[in-house]
Amino acid sequence: NAGVMQNPRHLVRRRGQEARLRCSPMKGHSHVYWYRQLPEEGLKFMVYLQKENIIDESGMPKERFSAEFPKEGPSILRIQQVVRGDSAAYFCASSRDRGNPDTQYFGPGTRLTVL
Amino acid sequence: AQSVTQLDSHVSVSEGTPVLLRCNYSSSYSPSLFWYVQHPNKGLQLLLKYTSAATLVKGINGFEAEFKKSETSFHLTKPSAHMSDAAEYFCVVSEEYGGATNKLIFGTGTLLAVQP
Repeated sequence: NAGVMQNPRHLVRRRGQEARLRCSPMKGHSHVYWYRQLPEEGLKFMVYLQKENIIDESGMPKERFSAEFPKEGPSILRIQQVVRGDSAAYFCASSRDRGNPDTQYFGPGTRLTVL
Repeated sequence: AQSVTQLDSHVSVSEGTPVLLRCNYSSSYSPSLFWYVQHPNKGLQLLLKYTSAATLVKGINGFEAEFKKSETSFHLTKPSAHMSDAAEYFCVVSEEYGGATNKLIFGTGTLLAVQP
């Protein structure tokens, strides 16, 4: 039973480029969450999605960041025109759609470095 | 609004001695509380969770935590530290949202060092 998959594990971008981070939830999970971990800090919530719907994006920066979770395929976190301050580890988590929805299982993360 | 405070940013213990990582929470509701562990350059692994059942929660790798409402605490303990326990530990509370919990609120983390 594969866990939460994220790719790429490491991503290097130059300022102004776009970054696309992918997350495949655990089998049977239809809730996806994205968190950002800045250096020397804990994780901060960014966005919560169910299939084809954004439920809560209160933690997303107002500009340049977007997320989707299509009916088919992985969830995508997209950062346009990256800046150095976007350098961080981005973690995806998933949970089941019934029973005990508040247990989130985390992927290994994508470490984004902006040069 | 929910929040958690981890009282120690660094804890150092000797192998074979007890571990205590402290966490206090603030919540308007009956909270769901978790401890996650993060090894260097790895993802987060769930150690244990509290969801208003038994106040003493047993987790993986010999860890346990006790929910104390009167003290608003959820400290993580282990009787005997192992070298492989060296990692960063996060105390986490789940925020209620429309009856279905979703976002997790993380503490700032406690880095546990285990000396041989």
